[in-house]
Amino acid sequence: DVKVTQSSRYLVKRTGEKVFLECVQDMDHENMFWYRQDPGLGLRLIYFSYDVKMKEKGDIPEGYSVSREKKERFSLILESASTNQTSMYLCASSPSSPLHFGNGTRLTVT
Amino acid sequence: GENVEQHPSTLSVQEGDSAVIKCTYSDSASNYFPWYKQELGKRPQLIIDIRSNVGEKKDQRIAVTLNKTAKHFSLHITETQPEDSAVYFCAAIYNDYKLSFGAGTTVTVRA
Repeated sequence: DVKVTQSSRYLVKRTGEKVFLECVQDMDHENMFWYRQDPGLGLRLIYFSYDVKMKEKGDIPEGYSVSREKKERFSLILESASTNQTSMYLCASSPSSPLHFGNGTRLTVT
Repeated sequence: GENVEQHPSTLSVQEGDSAVIKCTYSDSASNYFPWYKQELGKRPQLIIDIRSNVGEKKDQRIAVTLNKTAKHFSLHITETQPEDSAVYFCAAIYNDYKLSFGAGTTVTVRA
C-alpha cells in the first residue's frame, strides 16, 4: 500500500515566519504534488514536481516555493507566512494517476 | 488550468435512496476523471475513476458516467448507507498529469 507521510498534522505559526511542510512517499513515484484545501473551494494545486530538482507551478503558487532534493521527499515552503495561508495542506504522489494523498497538515497562521 | 464545476454542494438522502453528483469540465483534452471520497478528518481516497475511452464504469454500488461531447461526468451511488456520508470530489486531468478538482459535495445519508 502506498504511504505518503506528512511530518506534521497541526502547525501554528506567526505572521512573517518561514514555514516548512515536509512530505515523504515510499513508492518511488516520479510525481509529487502540494494541494491546498479550503471549504467551498475544493483542492487547489500549489506546485508539483515530476522529478528530482524539477518543479512546476500549479494554479496558486504565489507566496509558496518548493524543494525536491530527493525523489521521495517534497517540501513546501512559505517564505513569509500570512494569515491568508491558514489552510489544510495536502501532499500527494503518483506514478501517473491516480493520486495518493497524505493525511494533511492543518496550518494556522496567527 | 482546467476548470471543474461540481453540483450540488450539499446533498442529503434517505438511507437506501440513490445519490447523484454532477461535474463539468472545460478542457476537451482531459482524458482521466477520478472521484475521491473524504471522510471527516481523513485524507481523500480514490473510489472510482474513468478514462475517456469508456462511457460508464461500475463498482458495486457506485458508478460513473462520462459524456465527452457535453464535457460532463457524474457519480451515482445506489442503496446509500450511513458510511457513504462524506465529502466527494470530482477531478479532471490536464497537461498530462495535473488534476483539477471540483469544490466538493457534502453527502449526508439520513438513517
